Amino acid sequence: RKEVEQDPGPFNVPEGATVAFNCTYSNSASQSFFWYRQDCRKEPKLLMSVYSSGNEDGRFTAQLNRASQYISLLIRDSKLSDSATYLCVVASLMDSNYQLIWGAGTKLIIKP
Amino acid sequence: DTEVTQTPKHLVMGMTNKKSLKCEQHMGHRAMYWYKQKAKKPPELMFVYSYEKLSINESVPSRFSPECPNSSLLNLHLHALQPEDSALYLCASSLGTFTSSGNTIYFGEGSWLTVV
Repeated sequence: RKEVEQDPGPFNVPEGATVAFNCTYSNSASQSFFWYRQDCRKEPKLLMSVYSSGNEDGRFTAQLNRASQYISLLIRDSKLSDSATYLCVVASLMDSNYQLIWGAGTKLIIKP
Repeated sequence: DTEVTQTPKHLVMGMTNKKSLKCEQHMGHRAMYWYKQKAKKPPELMFVYSYEKLSINESVPSRFSPECPNSSLLNLHLHALQPEDSALYLCASSLGTFTSSGNTIYFGEGSWLTVV
């Protein structure tokens, strides 16, 4: 089992729709969780950190479920500009350092 | 706009060349990173510098040689690379190496490397 798993997609979604995707992680001791977005041929950019209580930033909502070891990202009222690859990142303690484990990404395509 | 600056943005080099990738940040971050990313794959960690000292080397071949001249600069020296080393090389920084909710990693725009 991979340490961090994501559905690679692509998710083809009409503009204005709501879309959600999950990311599962295997290390139950993982401490911090993030969603990054990466546009084609660009660098990854932090979208949001994921907190235990869940958090919302505009149209984006992130949730953490420690019991089932997954995080989720919900995008409401999707825009064409939301088309990107969404990377799940999990920070786990390894050899006294927190290291980031990256999922392979979920590709999202918003269609007009 | 990213506050991590990388140069050059594009580099084409032969297998016998020696070149360097450069990275600079002025956010006062004390951890800096080199990642390698191939198409349709997530970034792979290569090196981590913490307080200007190499703290993590993910078994990277010696043809890649990192250098941290000071807390704001990070270089990656390249020598005798192979075509399979062609990739996007991303520099990143964070406030510290221990990642917490307030200690996220910020990436530069990357250097596209092609080895011919």
